[in-house]
Amino acid sequence: SQKIEQNSEALNIQEGKTATLTCNYTNYSPAYLQWYRQDPGRGPVFLLLIRENEKEKRKERLKVTFDTTLKQSLFHITASQPADSATYLCALLDSPRRYSNYQLIWGAGTKLIIKP
Amino acid sequence: DVKVTQSSRYLVKRTGEKVFLECVQDMDHENMFWYRQDPGLGLRLIYFSYDVKMKEKGDIPEGYSVSREKKERFSLILESASTNQTSMYLCASRSSTSGNTIYFGEGSWLTVV
Repeated sequence: SQKIEQNSEALNIQEGKTATLTCNYTNYSPAYLQWYRQDPGRGPVFLLLIRENEKEKRKERLKVTFDTTLKQSLFHITASQPADSATYLCALLDSPRRYSNYQLIWGAGTKLIIKP
Repeated sequence: DVKVTQSSRYLVKRTGEKVFLECVQDMDHENMFWYRQDPGLGLRLIYFSYDVKMKEKGDIPEGYSVSREKKERFSLILESASTNQTSMYLCASRSSTSGNTIYFGEGSWLTVV
């Protein structure tokens, strides 16, 4: 069956350390993968996109890697801060496309808690 | 900045009531979406629309319908609300010609009692 999995347990990290979140998938061939941040009671907000032919993408303190052999993406936050505490969602665009106007497939998200 | 506005943040409705959730976007996006989000299940697509008056079923359309009479507005309708439709509902939009980013509204928390 097709699955996209994120660690359902909350990740507790000490402030200043690097937080690493994992997104694993099976039976998809993603054209790209996205990461979103979601604060409690709010809608998700786009952070980064990485394409199938890219190994790594960076934006300020954020870094995303994409390993199509392992079928995994890693999301890193360096020098983490309490303000980084949120739920982080990964989503992929499968290829071939399921609908006439392609859709994302979403993970359930991992809650990240940065402790001061 | 793109803004997606959902008309109601919190609603409490009775079983059997008809419920309307309204969503408006201000960026002239062609694509609009309705998702529901439940703990541990991730975002599940209910319906999407790729243009005015056009709609397609998502993964969980049963018990829902939608309306897109104007480009900026996408409405989700629960014809007869049931308790298993208690959830967070998220509206989103995206340009079909530029970029892959989906922009979400703040969400509507619906409780059916």
